[in-house]
Amino acid sequence: DAKTTQPPSMDCAEGRAANLPCNHSTISGNEYVYWYRQIHSQGPQYIIHGLKNNETNEMASLIITEDRKSSTLILPHATLRDTAVYYCIATSKGAQKLVFGQGTRLTINP
Amino acid sequence: SAVISQKPSRDICQRGTSLTIQCQVDSQVTMMFWYRQQPGQSLTLIATANQGSEATYESGFVIDKFPISRPNLTFSTLTVSNMSPEDSSIYLCSVEGGGSYGYTFGSGTRLTVV
Repeated sequence: DAKTTQPPSMDCAEGRAANLPCNHSTISGNEYVYWYRQIHSQGPQYIIHGLKNNETNEMASLIITEDRKSSTLILPHATLRDTAVYYCIATSKGAQKLVFGQGTRLTINP
Repeated sequence: SAVISQKPSRDICQRGTSLTIQCQVDSQVTMMFWYRQQPGQSLTLIATANQGSEATYESGFVIDKFPISRPNLTFSTLTVSNMSPEDSSIYLCSVEGGGSYGYTFGSGTRLTVV
């Protein structure tokens, strides 16, 4: 798995877009970028993943730079329930396991 | 995506004893994964469990301390043996969610060793 680097913490106001960056400068061509989040005292929850195109689902959008060395997870209208630790993981689909870094602790403020 | 039931949700155990954690999945899966999350830390993979073969342990984890069973394609157990206070952690199981759902995690077992 490629190493990922995320800021340890971020704050965002409720109702605003939360933009969480992730650096994965050593990502290889077959590695996807996955995002998970862990709300306090719960198991991690899958959010979204992508290879090179931008992706959007009901939870979030994922923007991957053209050189694939970094990406941004966007929560378009953050709510208090989005307060969690967000993990960015670069791995191939055949890797068959996830390796978690330290993630970004996102706090949504009222 | 798969749904995981993990039991117990929490326990307080005496040092020197063992605890077995159960993970039940609502669909057949090839691999199941066991993670440990120490207080304030990220998740660390303990081992990967395939049905019909011995589990594959990550560096720093050994079978004598964390024996794993995988009797069928929907169930696995992790035992934390001869516990010490340093084993106080959240233990989570995980499976591939299938399709576009990434990996699914159980709600975890919060273990406190006293």
